[in-house]
Order: sequence, then C-alpha cells, then structure tokens
Amino acid sequence: SAVISQKPSRDICQRGTSLTIQCQVDSQVTMMFWYRQQPGQSLTLIATANQGSEATYESGFVIDKFPISRPNLTFSTLTVSNMSPEDSSIYLCSVGGETQYFGPGTRLLVL
Amino acid sequence: GNSVTQMEGPVTLSEEAFLTINCTYTATGYPSLFWYVQYPGEGLQLLLKATKADDKGSNKGFEATYRKETTSFHLEKGSVQVSDSAVYFCALTPLSSGNTPLVFGKGTRLSVIA
Repeated sequence: SAVISQKPSRDICQRGTSLTIQCQVDSQVTMMFWYRQQPGQSLTLIATANQGSEATYESGFVIDKFPISRPNLTFSTLTVSNMSPEDSSIYLCSVGGETQYFGPGTRLLVL
Repeated sequence: GNSVTQMEGPVTLSEEAFLTINCTYTATGYPSLFWYVQYPGEGLQLLLKATKADDKGSNKGFEATYRKETTSFHLEKGSVQVSDSAVYFCALTPLSSGNTPLVFGKGTRLSVIA
C-alpha cells in the first residue's frame, strides 16, 4: 500500500489569507485526488490531479479558490485561497489504483 | 448516477455486541466496494474491500459481502470492542481500475461502551 504524508497536519488561519497543503507519496502514482470533509460530514471530492495536465474540478469548486499543482508523480499541492470560516474542514489527498489510500489529512480552522 | 446510502447514526453498542451497518449502492456497471474507518482525530483507513459479486471482504473481525442482487455491502462484526469506536464510511468506485474517485456514503458513527 502507498504511504502518504501531508503537511501541515493542522493549522489555524485568519480569514482572507491562503494556505498551501502538501501531499507526498512514497511511490509514483498517476492519479491523485483532493477531498474536503466538513465538520461532521462525509468526504466531498474537490478535484482530480493528473500529472502533466490541469486538474479537473468538481461542481462547486473552482481553480481560483483551490489551485492545485502536480509537478511530478509523487507530489501535489492544494491551496485554499482567500479563506473564510466556511473553509474550516479536513482536507485529504488520496492516490488512485486498485485500492485508494488516504493521507492523514490537514485540519484547517479559519477564524 | 453513482451513489451510496448508509444507515444513519450514531450507533451505540455495548462491548461484545453484534454490529451491522447497512450500506446499499446505485451504480452503473460493476463497481468495487469499500469500507473505510476514521478513528477520532485521524484520516481514513481502508478497512476492507470487495471487487466483484459474492466476494467477501474481511479484516480485524469485520466482514462485508458484495451482494449484487440486493446492491448491498453491509458491514458486520460479531463482537465489538471499545477500540472499534469510530466513523465508518461505505464507498464505491465505478470502475475497478481505481483511477476514478470514490463515492462515499455519509458515514456512520459507532460508539462502543464498556
């Protein structure tokens, strides 16, 4: 199974600022996914990140708010831009394959 | 479209009780089915999976059988422990390749009391 790390593990941010979350995988993977888990809720897909191409965003998520980079087959970043309290969530990356594995998540609180 | 429906929680059980968490799905084709678990303050961990009809996934005493005729993948454990307290998510991928994102149910919170 893939080993996935995320940085930071948690953060408290002020509204109007931006935070970049890093996701590192210990093996090369084609597809990476970013999810959001709002408090007490299930996971919602933000976007799919394929190396070498633009990320594909789900309805309700836009690139200006959640820009994603995928510079190589083991790394991706998600930026949460111009944050508001409604962005307080856990953000998780996962990697595709026969079975999908998740990073430990980044717990974000926006004040 | 593809969707997963789980029984609403929270579920509270005494230690050594029998657990069932119902999960049904709607999907085109032949999805792969998963149960993930999220312990307090942690990320998601794969608990078990099944990739075709009649497959039984099992891990840590938990089991689930892929029932195509009833489009179900119910999670069961014969004797729960306090350490099983967590949120359980049923999920599917529409294609067995895994290069498509997961579709999740809403999650079921389980609390086991001593």
